[in-house]
Amino acid sequence: NFMLTQPHSVSESPGKTVTISCTGSSGSIVGNYVQWYQQRPGSAPTTVIYDDNQRPSGVPDRFSGSIDSSSNSASLTISGLKTEDEADYYCQSYDSFNHGVFGGGTKLTVL
Amino acid sequence: QVQLQESGPGLVKPSGTLSLTCAVSGGSISSGHWWSWVRQPPGKGLEWIGDIYHTGSTNYNPSLKSRVTISIDKSKNHFSLKLSSVTAADTAVYYCARVAEYCNSGSCDPYYFNYWGQGTLVTVSS
Repeated sequence: NFMLTQPHSVSESPGKTVTISCTGSSGSIVGNYVQWYQQRPGSAPTTVIYDDNQRPSGVPDRFSGSIDSSSNSASLTISGLKTEDEADYYCQSYDSFNHGVFGGGTKLTVL
Repeated sequence: QVQLQESGPGLVKPSGTLSLTCAVSGGSISSGHWWSWVRQPPGKGLEWIGDIYHTGSTNYNPSLKSRVTISIDKSKNHFSLKLSSVTAADTAVYYCARVAEYCNSGSCDPYYFNYWGQGTLVTVSS
């Protein structure tokens, strides 16, 4: 089964840049669109990146996404960190059978 | 602006059936798109349950497939989830979502969740 693996947690200081990885296994991540969702406590997820590297309107350009085919992974990079960026982040894709797949989530702490 | 709202019992007995409905407003459920259910156990990550297309075609999580039914009611502009034989492990916040699709060579596949409901907590307990 296609799976997405994320680090459990990352932390960084305000103003710095952080990158969260999402590694695919039992299948290629390339060619399957990867999305990133931000989830604050008690709230539904919201999209920060779709189509590997596209930002929905209203998402600041401090958020960017990329794909690395050599490592079969996707990455979410947040620059100029703000305390409001502290949240859980999930990568997501669909496999070749149209089954949705989420990564386990990464807790971002901005301290 | 599309809005989704989950509704249903917040407490279900073990071995019973969990039933939830997602009301869609601001758009017609018949106009296209996939429609999805996602759940999140307390303190844990997101789990995809399954999708239904506006035509009625469905895809389910293989780990839940034997217990899940997702259906669509175009006359009421809503879609529903039924999960049978529930246990405490099914306790979770259940979200409904609209899934953006990409179409190629006559078929349209789901790819990302662009609208979410607020979620509803369902507890399985006697």
